[in-house]
Amino acid sequence: DVVMTQTPVSLSVSLGGQVSISCRSSQSLVHNNGNTYLSWYLQKPGQSPQLLIYKVSNRFSGISDRFSGSGSGTDFTLKISRVEPDDLGVYYCGQGTQYPDTFGAGTKLELK
Amino acid sequence: QVQLQQSGAELVKPGTSVKLSCKASGYTFTSNHMNWIKQTTGQGLEWIGIINPGSGGTSYNVKFKGKATLTVDKSSSTAFMQLSSLTPEDSAVYYCARGFGSFAYWGQGTLVTVSS
Repeated sequence: DVVMTQTPVSLSVSLGGQVSISCRSSQSLVHNNGNTYLSWYLQKPGQSPQLLIYKVSNRFSGISDRFSGSGSGTDFTLKISRVEPDDLGVYYCGQGTQYPDTFGAGTKLELK
Repeated sequence: QVQLQQSGAELVKPGTSVKLSCKASGYTFTSNHMNWIKQTTGQGLEWIGIINPGSGGTSYNVKFKGKATLTVDKSSSTAFMQLSSLTPEDSAVYYCARGFGSFAYWGQGTLVTVSS
């Protein structure tokens, strides 16, 4: 299975600040079809995860441009700028390039 | 709008089976794959498997083969997951989620508690 390693485990941020979350995969996430199926999700307390970014850098419908994804191969980053209270929760990266789909362990974003 | 409405919480005894449901609305059910995902505090998010509602074709995480069985009822736009031979380790929140390669829409989750 592809192992997804997220760092850091937790982050403290001030409102209006910027943060980055790293995600590394144990194998390249480039699919035979040329796509890279790396996604980012946010799970707010008491809610289901929600899709933020798909295929590395594509924002899902309705997602603010304060969220941006980048990376290639095995190294990926999610950046959140001008952090708002509604951004707090646990962020997960996930890969869908190779079965079984796998997820990182999560990064908890908290207020400083 | 796309909605995935999951069945309610279950309290079940070890050794028994349970069948969870996920009713889809707001889109063409047979045109999008449906996944099932397990969430526990200890193991995080684990992908169980995927079903193509149009063809009924499935793929499973090896870890859940023999544990989970995915089916659909096209007439009611509902996906099902049956979990068998339940043990306390199967206690978790189970989500259905639409997508292939990423999960754009999620149900609200069903809490399954396995206890005697």
